[in-house]
Amino acid sequence: QKEVEQDPGPLSVPEGAIVSLNCTYSNSAFQYFMWYRQYSRKGPELLMYTYSSGNKEDGRFTAQVDKSSKYISLFIRDSQPSDSATYLCAMSGGGSYIPTFGRGTSLIVHP
Amino acid sequence: EADIYQTPRYLVIGTGKKITLECSQTMGHDKMYWYQQDPGMELHLIHYSYGVNSTEKGDLSSESTVSRIRTEHFPLTLESARPSHTSQYLCASSETFNSPLHFGNGTRLTVT
Repeated sequence: QKEVEQDPGPLSVPEGAIVSLNCTYSNSAFQYFMWYRQYSRKGPELLMYTYSSGNKEDGRFTAQVDKSSKYISLFIRDSQPSDSATYLCAMSGGGSYIPTFGRGTSLIVHP
Repeated sequence: EADIYQTPRYLVIGTGKKITLECSQTMGHDKMYWYQQDPGMELHLIHYSYGVNSTEKGDLSSESTVSRIRTEHFPLTLESARPSHTSQYLCASSETFNSPLHFGNGTRLTVT
């Protein structure tokens, strides 16, 4: 079993939809949780960074962490075609000082 | 705006050649990393550095080497390139461990 599981998709939604992207993990020591967005032929860019459980909101993006279920989510409201990209989750903590990444979910928002 | 720079962006070379992928950051970060990324797959950590003169191998077995002589510079060298090295190589840096990584735009390497 991989430490971080993420459905690769692709996930295709119409413009304006609410998107839910998810990751599960097995290491209960993880405390730092990140979401990155990666456009084609670019490096990943940080979207959200959260510590421990709870929600964090930034504009149209909300990150949610449920440590009891070892489950994290990224919600995108009012999705736009410019949101089409691959979204990677990453996490670290405990004895793992360097983030472990999921394989990314490909999102396509069509007009 | 990216403060971490990778060159070249694209490279096509023949088998057996020695190559160096360059990575520089202007943020003064102590921690730097090299990842390998194949389409639809996880990022795999190849090497990382705690600071100047400190380098470690990552999870992915690699035939590459790195050096960290200056804080801002973390080049990766392949002594003898093989077709199995064809991939995207991403360089990243962070202020501390457990803090977010800042990535460059990668070098896409093709070995023929």
